Amino acid sequence: KQEVTQIPAALSVPEGENLVLNCSFTDSAIYNLQWFRQDPGKGLTSLLLIQSSQREQTSGRLNASLDKSSGRSTLYIAASQPGDSATYLCAVSAGYALNFGKGTSLLVTP
Amino acid sequence: GAGVSQSPSNKVTEKGKDVELRCDPISGHTALYWYRQSLGQGLEFLIYFQGNSAPDKSGLPSDRFSAERTGGSVSTLTIQRTQQEDSAVYLCASRPGTGVNTEAFFGQGTRLTVV
Repeated sequence: KQEVTQIPAALSVPEGENLVLNCSFTDSAIYNLQWFRQDPGKGLTSLLLIQSSQREQTSGRLNASLDKSSGRSTLYIAASQPGDSATYLCAVSAGYALNFGKGTSLLVTP
Repeated sequence: GAGVSQSPSNKVTEKGKDVELRCDPISGHTALYWYRQSLGQGLEFLIYFQGNSAPDKSGLPSDRFSAERTGGSVSTLTIQRTQQEDSAVYLCASRPGTGVNTEAFFGQGTRLTVV
């Protein structure tokens, strides 16, 4: 059974810092990995999808990398802003199923 | 619609009552998922629909839970004889086609409170 772990569980940084969120998974036989953002009381917003053949994807200040063989992905957020405060979730897919980590709760302080 | 739509956004029900939660996927998306998110927990898979194929119901926690998808579009998740442990946010997601390398898009969720 695929296990997805996100470290740290919570993170607080001052505005302007660059930061890295980590996601690890136990079964490297995946098709893709997707990063989501969840604001309090809201649904999930898709940020980036990385296919298993890709090493990274970029969108604005976000960069996600994937090392499938070692079962790791990172989400890099450049020049963090208070509006980035949210919970970030990663999900791996080995077919149609999405297996989620428990998320990293990020607080960016002004 | 532009995104996945769920209704109601909030539902408070008395223990023992039945509830129905609705999901309208993005138009043209053939794959539809239901997940449950309990306080402090990760997302728990409930059920998956793909086109006209038989759904994967392996995540439904008990026989009080059922779901259907009519005409390959709208889906309804029904919880019978609700219990307090059913209190959670129920999230619906859809994906285009049968391709596994496509993004999943989520709705805003229905927050269910059983009192």
